[in-house]
Amino acid sequence: GQQVMQIPQYQHVQEGEDFTTYCNSSTTLSNIQWYKQRPGGHPVFLIQLVKSGEVKKQKRLTFQFGEAKKNSSLHITATQTTDVGTYFCAGLRIQGAQKLVFGQGTRLTINP
Amino acid sequence: DGGITQSPKYLFRKEGQNVTLSCEQNLNHDAMYWYRQDPGQGLRLIYYSQIVNDFQKGDIAEGYSVSREKKESFPLTVTSAQKNPTAFYLCASRGLAMNEQFFGPGTRLTVL
Repeated sequence: GQQVMQIPQYQHVQEGEDFTTYCNSSTTLSNIQWYKQRPGGHPVFLIQLVKSGEVKKQKRLTFQFGEAKKNSSLHITATQTTDVGTYFCAGLRIQGAQKLVFGQGTRLTINP
Repeated sequence: DGGITQSPKYLFRKEGQNVTLSCEQNLNHDAMYWYRQDPGQGLRLIYYSQIVNDFQKGDIAEGYSVSREKKESFPLTVTSAQKNPTAFYLCASRGLAMNEQFFGPGTRLTVL
């Protein structure tokens, strides 16, 4: 079945450093979504990318969708302690049911 | 996410007992989903429903059952056939005109 691989699994940074997580799908995606889960919390939707090569920004967060619509990345510039959590990508399949396939997530911890 | 409730937050059961997890939403969403999350892993889809009185198996449906008698409610039963039921269970819903999923706060099930 379709797989969505996400790396790295863990990332520890000093506050103020940048952070990037990468997502790769075995098949072409209709769109890709990103979610953030704070420690002890539940996933919260961040953004959706639909177009090939699309780039979207939310303040210090930059999201990219690859040209082939098989990979994506999330980059955080100058991390802050509020960025702590696990970031998940989730791909929506083109064919088949309208269901998301989640990556394993990247857990970000920050040293203040 | 305030429109989706899951109860209880923590649940303890003895091995061999069936247990039902509640999920209610007042967002008027048609689609609802159940995911399982294990430590350090992503979300795995158990069951989903796109309309009342209809539901489909996800990737790890064995040992679980669901019902969708009302639009607002999508309870999940963890049966004694589920070999490793201890996990964090997340319910989500989605409006048909959107792809974003809204998650409930989750239920942490521990089987002793």
